[in-house]
Formats: sequence, structure tokens, C-alpha cells
Amino acid sequence: DGGITQSPKYLFRKEGQNVTLSCEQNLNHDAMYWYRQDPGQGLRLIYYSQIVNDFQKGDIAEGYSVSREKKESFPLTVTSAQKNPTAFYLCASGRTRGPSSYNEQFFGPGTRLTVL
Amino acid sequence: AQSVSQHNHHVILSEAASLELGCNYSYGGTVNLFWYVQYPGQHLQLLLKYFSGDPLVKGIKGFEAEFIKSKFSFNLRKPSVQWSDTAEYFCAVNAGTASKLTFGTGTRLQVTL
Repeated sequence: DGGITQSPKYLFRKEGQNVTLSCEQNLNHDAMYWYRQDPGQGLRLIYYSQIVNDFQKGDIAEGYSVSREKKESFPLTVTSAQKNPTAFYLCASGRTRGPSSYNEQFFGPGTRLTVL
Repeated sequence: AQSVSQHNHHVILSEAASLELGCNYSYGGTVNLFWYVQYPGQHLQLLLKYFSGDPLVKGIKGFEAEFIKSKFSFNLRKPSVQWSDTAEYFCAVNAGTASKLTFGTGTRLQVTL
């Protein structure tokens, strides 16, 4: 099946620990995105990558880091510098080439991170 | 920077009632507009999208939206909601040449029997 996988579904960490969230896609999409979803705040963009070995900060990048060594993978690290890390994290992918009608993003199931 | 406003945060409707969810964006140039839906426990999925042409777009499950450029709006409508439409709905805009989306804060729709 083509799609986006995120693991694990639920993640618990102690305050002060870094944690890495996994995102893999087999849709052959060039672009990948990380969003954070909080109640009443919608989805806010953390980081995005339009091509391998390149990525840009989104609106709330502080306290997060990413890498894009492979087209299929875009892991997100939530560092101890992130002040409010407990949230629902969504990964998405999409095309960057072709007509603008291709700008739809496809989402994974999400990872709910709880920092204790 | 572009922004998206969804003024209805929580809407409660009875089955068969008509639905209209508001979405306004701020960006003066060409935009691509989307409505996404998140059913309980499921992935965020695309309901419909507007890129160009007919400003009235139809999506899945009987939903439609109308792009009104002069009002910077892209409201979502459905003539008769069902209990299974209970979900959270997000409006999003892609502006200029960037591929990233800006989302609204979402509207939680609760449909009662």
C-alpha cells in the first residue's frame, strides 16, 4: 500500500530528553512536512523539505531539528529546548513538480508525544 | 505571510441540517485552497481543493466549497449533514510558489441524531 507511516503512535518521554519521531513515505514525493497539532490551534508547520539534503524552518521550528538523508524519510527530533513538547505531531508529503494542482499534501496517522 | 481564519470553532447540528463553515484567508496573490477533514481516530484527508476555473468546487461525501475572491473566502457547505460527518474540518491555503500550506485553527463539527 502506498502511504505515509509514522511510528510510534504514542510516545512518552521524561522532561529533558530528546526524542525522535519517525516518518516514512513510499509515494515517491519530493516534499515532506512536519506539523504540530494542538487543540484550538490547528496545524502549525515545524519544518519542511522539498528535496533530499535540504530543509527549511516553518513557523515554529525552535526546539526541533530534522534531517532528510533519504527521499523516503524525514525524522523529527524534539529536543529538550522545546518548551511545550507535548502535542500531536503529523507528517505529510507532497509533490513539488508539475502543475499547482499537485500541491495537495498527504498525511500520516500522527504520533502523540507526551512529555512527563 | 498568509493567514487563515476559521471563525466557527465548534458547531453542533442535527442530522439533515445544512452546513456552512467559514474560511477566510489573507493573501493578495494567487492562492490554492483546500479543505481537509479529520474523522475521530483517522488520518487527515482531503475533502476538496480549488486551483483555478469554476469557483464552485465539489468534493467527496457531498461537500462543496465556493471561492469568492473579492471576499477572500472559501466556505465549505453541505446541504444535509449526516451523523458520520462528525469530525474536525480544516481550511488551508497555499500561496505563491511555495509548496507549504497554512492551516486555519479548525472547526469541530458535531452532528446529533
